[in-house]
Amino acid sequence: GAGVSQSPSNKVTEKGKDVELRCDPISGHTALYWYRQSLGQGLEFLIYFQGNSAPDKSGLPSDRFSAERTGGSVSTLTIQRTQQEDSAVYLCASSFTGNSYTYGYTFGSGTRLTVV
Amino acid sequence: KQEVTQIPAALSVPEGENLVLNCSFTDSAIYNLQWFRQDPGKGLTSLLLIQSSQREQTSGRLNASLDKSSGRSTLYIAASQPGDSATYLCAVIYNAGNMLTFGGGTRLMVKP
Repeated sequence: GAGVSQSPSNKVTEKGKDVELRCDPISGHTALYWYRQSLGQGLEFLIYFQGNSAPDKSGLPSDRFSAERTGGSVSTLTIQRTQQEDSAVYLCASSFTGNSYTYGYTFGSGTRLTVV
Repeated sequence: KQEVTQIPAALSVPEGENLVLNCSFTDSAIYNLQWFRQDPGKGLTSLLLIQSSQREQTSGRLNASLDKSSGRSTLYIAASQPGDSATYLCAVIYNAGNMLTFGGGTRLMVKP
């Protein structure tokens, strides 16, 4: 598609439930990031996928968070046993990385997660 | 630690003013630097991308400069308009790790 697509755009879930957030990157983009942004806060790095390399999971806040990227394209971020502090906007971005430099990143519109 | 800092955190100007937003980074070994705009409750919109070999990029009323040796970038907005009101974010990709590192943003308000 023309841009990075995220779904759902809004999600309200009960505390303790699992949720899945989806990101469709721009076709051909090799790099994919997940960030989250809590209300009034900056962007917090979660996880980074680059081609077929092992993902950089160093930003995941707990073992309740996991992500996968199937076939080098679509990515799913899963949050198990959601807590109220997980409420935030989850943003996905993708880019094409060349040999010597990286093209700019394109962000999706985000998924607003509310845990009640 | 590779960090990105933006000053000021908030800025309010009257319509028509020219203004400069500042971004500083701790490590000069960068791949590129990207400026984004974020409207309340929305995602990030890319404004300008500067590769490490470039010194500036221009788009319309926006001009971004890059000085790697001093670890600084500026975003210049000419003839500001109320529609420019948003949060402006600076992000750097360092050579190591390729992780996009964001500054805290500058919240801009342009008053009619």
